[in-house]
Amino acid sequence: QVQLVESGGGVVQPGGSLRLSCAASGFTFSSYGMHWVRQAPGKGLEWVAFIRYDGSNKYYADSVKGRFTISRDNSKNTLYLQMNSLRAEDTAVYYCAKGVSWFAGTAMDDLTIFDYWGQGTLVTVSS
Amino acid sequence: DIQMTQSPSSLSASVGDRVTITCQASQDISNYLNWYQQKPGKAPKLLIYDASNLETGVPSRFSGSGSGTDFTFTISSLQPEDIATYYCQQYDNRPITFGQGTRLEIK
Repeated sequence: QVQLVESGGGVVQPGGSLRLSCAASGFTFSSYGMHWVRQAPGKGLEWVAFIRYDGSNKYYADSVKGRFTISRDNSKNTLYLQMNSLRAEDTAVYYCAKGVSWFAGTAMDDLTIFDYWGQGTLVTVSS
Repeated sequence: DIQMTQSPSSLSASVGDRVTITCQASQDISNYLNWYQQKPGKAPKLLIYDASNLETGVPSRFSGSGSGTDFTFTISSLQPEDIATYYCQQYDNRPITFGQGTRLEIK
């Protein structure tokens, strides 16, 4: 069965950095686009970033553009999110999510249904 | 960005009740609309995709309808295990956006 397991969360000071990982199993990881979605405490869901199945295309929310970098290692079935210049407003549970897209193979393949989610990892930005 | 507006923000209903949640998009999104259930402390779970298609394994008391800008999510007979927050999500246009959520409680 599909499993997505995030790790790497923790407490970091404003301006600091953190790298999240998401270990995938139960499906052909190298065939699917992957996303990060976050949820601030007591708030709703916010899409953060997308990476194409082969890593050739990436998109980011305006709120994290220039500070966060999504990447993947298909040989290790692992998704990453490098977070730099962290701010208090980045405090959230970060979920990795597998994407299913009717637009696969096109320039719009980031537009997806999230069919599986990890359990999330909490990032707290505080001094 | 496409704004997704859910109504109501919270809802209290009795076991066995029919429950309806609406989601309105700020522009036409065709049927590129999904519904998720999130129980406290858990990850979201896909229930309905493309406005009206039931995800495999999801009970048939859940259903969805609509197209364009107006969508409806229905639980035909509320069960105690349905207590959760429900989110709509559009994927017609970049960036993907979610509704603010509807918190469902048992009366």
